[in-house]
Amino acid sequence: DAGITQSPRYKITETGRQVTLMCHQTWSHSYMFWYRQDLGHGLRLIYYSAAADITDKGEVPDGYVVSRSKTENFPLTLESATRSQTSVYFCASSEPRASGNTIYFGEGSWLTVV
Amino acid sequence: GENVEQHPSTLSVQEGDSAVIKCTYSDSASNYFPWYKQELGKGPQLIIDIRSNVGEKKDQRIAVTLNKTAKHFSLHITETQPEDSAVYFCAALRNAGNMLTFGGGTRLMVKP
Repeated sequence: DAGITQSPRYKITETGRQVTLMCHQTWSHSYMFWYRQDLGHGLRLIYYSAAADITDKGEVPDGYVVSRSKTENFPLTLESATRSQTSVYFCASSEPRASGNTIYFGEGSWLTVV
Repeated sequence: GENVEQHPSTLSVQEGDSAVIKCTYSDSASNYFPWYKQELGKGPQLIIDIRSNVGEKKDQRIAVTLNKTAKHFSLHITETQPEDSAVYFCAALRNAGNMLTFGGGTRLMVKP
């Protein structure tokens, strides 16, 4: 059971370049999320998706684009990377149930913008 | 929207002692409160959760308590071990939108 996988795990890019972080889950969860984690800010929601072709903004969406053409994939694109987007990015997924709403996280993608 | 505050930001205990981390939330409609443990270089992992119709839940050395009236919940770790050292996050969720709001995290250090 592969669970939720992110790629690349580590990326260095230059300011102004486009970068796409990939996320793939094998559980067929309906919900998927992208968070960024920065020192002093904890985990902040960038975008989320309730189902294929349905996406919505989170707390810090500016500078990011997402898509969800297939249930299992939820790529995050930085259209023109800035130094302030240097962060650790976590993809997550969940399937709401009456018994709970457990959200599962990937291992993270470390992005440095120089 | 929901706001979750977590204290303390760092906590150092001796091996074998207990550790308590506290969180408060603002939205009375929140009804699900998970706790995540994040080890260095890894993603957060769920360690225990509690729903709003329950006041306390235990799982071996870990327990969570919830006070809905006061809108706060706490994580209790007893008989701490060095492998408990990590960053712990509390979170609150409203069913509508299925979005978690996280606290700022607590770095727990267990000294052998």
